[in-house]
Amino acid sequence: SQKIEQNSEALNIQEGKTATLTCNYTNYSPAYLQWYRQDPGRGPVFLLLIRENEKEKRKERLKVTFDTTLKQSLFHITASQPADSATYLCALGGMDSSYKLIFGSGTRLLVRP
Amino acid sequence: NAGVTQTPKFQVLKTGQSMTLQCAQDMNHNSMYWYRQDPGMGLRLIYYSASEGTTDKGEVPNGYNVSRLNKREFSLRLESAAPSQTSVYFCASSPPDVSKGYTFGSGTRLTVV
Repeated sequence: SQKIEQNSEALNIQEGKTATLTCNYTNYSPAYLQWYRQDPGRGPVFLLLIRENEKEKRKERLKVTFDTTLKQSLFHITASQPADSATYLCALGGMDSSYKLIFGSGTRLLVRP
Repeated sequence: NAGVTQTPKFQVLKTGQSMTLQCAQDMNHNSMYWYRQDPGMGLRLIYYSASEGTTDKGEVPNGYNVSRLNKREFSLRLESAAPSQTSVYFCASSPPDVSKGYTFGSGTRLTVV
């Protein structure tokens, strides 16, 4: 069956360190993968997209990798700050002709000062 | 401010009651979506509308109906609410350019007692 896995346990790191979050999927062939940030009581906010033919994408302190052989995406936040504390969701898209996304359940990141 | 507006923000229903969740976007997006978010299960697609006049079922459509009233508005109706429909509901919209991602509303927290 189709599955998207994100670590359900919170990631707790020290300010200034690099946070690395993982998104694994099975039985999907996405054309692209997106990452979102969600704060408590708010809707998700789009961060980055990476396409199947791209290995890596960067935006400011964010870096995303996409390995279609391993069926895995890694999301890195360098020089993390307490303000980066949130839940991060990965989403797969492009499995059909629509623009609908399939979301993972998210990983909560806590950055300690 | 441009974005997706959802109403109401909170609602408590008794089992068997009906209600409509409203969603409007002012970004001229063709595609709109309704998701529900439950603890540990991530966002699950209920219905989506690729363009004005069209709607399609998502992963969990049972117990819901939708109306794409015009390009701006996409409503979700619960005809006979059940406790299993207690959840946070998010509306989203997207342009054809997937690199822009989804824009989500702030959500409706629904409790069915």
